[in-house]
Amino acid sequence: EIVLTQSPATLSLSPGERATLSCRASQSVSSYLAWYQQKPGQAPRLLIYDASNRATGIPARFSGSGSGTDFTLTISSLDPDDFALYYCQQRSDWPITFGQGTRLEIK
Amino acid sequence: QVHLVESGGGVVQPGTSLRLSCVASGFTFSNYAVHWVRQPPGKGLECVAVISFDGSYDHYPDSVKGRFTISRDNSKNTFYLQMDSLRSEDTAIYYCAKDHFQRDNWGSLDSWGQGTLVTVSS
Repeated sequence: EIVLTQSPATLSLSPGERATLSCRASQSVSSYLAWYQQKPGQAPRLLIYDASNRATGIPARFSGSGSGTDFTLTISSLDPDDFALYYCQQRSDWPITFGQGTRLEIK
Repeated sequence: QVHLVESGGGVVQPGTSLRLSCVASGFTFSNYAVHWVRQPPGKGLECVAVISFDGSYDHYPDSVKGRFTISRDNSKNTFYLQMDSLRSEDTAIYYCAKDHFQRDNWGSLDSWGQGTLVTVSS
């Protein structure tokens, strides 16, 4: 099973700042990595698929990069609506696995 | 507009069974793999089952293999999760989800239901 490790566990920033979230895989997942946002009481929402492709309706301030084992989700300028939990997920091999999450909180 | 609605959650005793359903609308259901993902209260996400667009193959993690079975009825735009021999560690919100990719390409989940809570407790 491919293990995904996200860092940091919690990120404290202010609106307007740039956020950088990391995800490291225990073995190469090529570009088969996605990012999700989850708010309390809601289902996750797909932000990025295959490392760098924004899902439908996702604002341009969200971008993804990386390949192999190291990936980054960048939010260029934080909107108050962006403070939430973020998960990475790989589809390179079964079982599909998720990281443990990064909580993005308001500083 | 894609819409997924789960049903069937509830409180059950250990060792018993439960079947979840998910009704899909707003897309060509028979073209997409579909998934069940669970989230224990306050914890992370685990994909517990996926079934291919045509139902020809499915996959399960070791944590549920042999106990959970995913199935689909493309004529009804509905898929199911049969959960047998339930354990306390199966307690979670269960989400149904649609894949982003069509047919044999799968693994990114672009639409989710609202979730249904399954509680396994004596």
